[in-house]
Amino acid sequence: SQKIEQNSEALNIQEGKTATLTCNYTNYSPAYLQWYRQDPGRGPVFLLLIRENEKEKRKERLKVTFDTTLKQSLFHITASQPADSATYLCALDPNAGNMLTFGGGTRLMVKP
Amino acid sequence: DTAVSQTPKYLVTQMGNDKSIKCEQNLGHDTMYWYKQDSKKFLKIMFSYNNKELIINETVPNRFSPKSPDKAHLNLHINSLELGDSAVYFCASSQQGQPQHFGDGTRLSIL
Repeated sequence: SQKIEQNSEALNIQEGKTATLTCNYTNYSPAYLQWYRQDPGRGPVFLLLIRENEKEKRKERLKVTFDTTLKQSLFHITASQPADSATYLCALDPNAGNMLTFGGGTRLMVKP
Repeated sequence: DTAVSQTPKYLVTQMGNDKSIKCEQNLGHDTMYWYKQDSKKFLKIMFSYNNKELIINETVPNRFSPKSPDKAHLNLHINSLELGDSAVYFCASSQQGQPQHFGDGTRLSIL
């Protein structure tokens, strides 16, 4: 069966360090992979989208990699700040048609 | 201006009742969605809808039905509410193939 796995345990890091979150999937061939941020009591907010023919995408302090052989995406936040503390969700789109399937999210805590 | 807005923010009701959640987007998007986020925080697609096509996640009970009076609105109707329907329901919108914009959710609690 299809599965998307993110580390369900919270990730605690010190301010200024790089946070790396993992998204693994099985039995999917996604056309797109997206990362969203969700704060408590709020809806997810889009961060980055990477296509199956792209290896890496950057936006300011954020970087996403996509390895379709390993079936894995890594999400990096460099120079992390306490304001980066949130839950981060990866989502797969199998055919660029918008029917997203989300992972369970990883909660990131950045300590000052 | 709020891009995707849902009402109500909180909904507490008895088992067996029928209720609706409203969603409006002012982004001019052609596709709208409903998601359910359960207590374990898994976000699951329920429906995808544009003016041409309704796509239903096959796991969604037919007690749930989306209704779209126009392109900017997609309301969610739920009949005969059950305890297991308690969750946070999110509306979202996008252009085809583009990232989605979410509302802030409706927390539904069934007594």
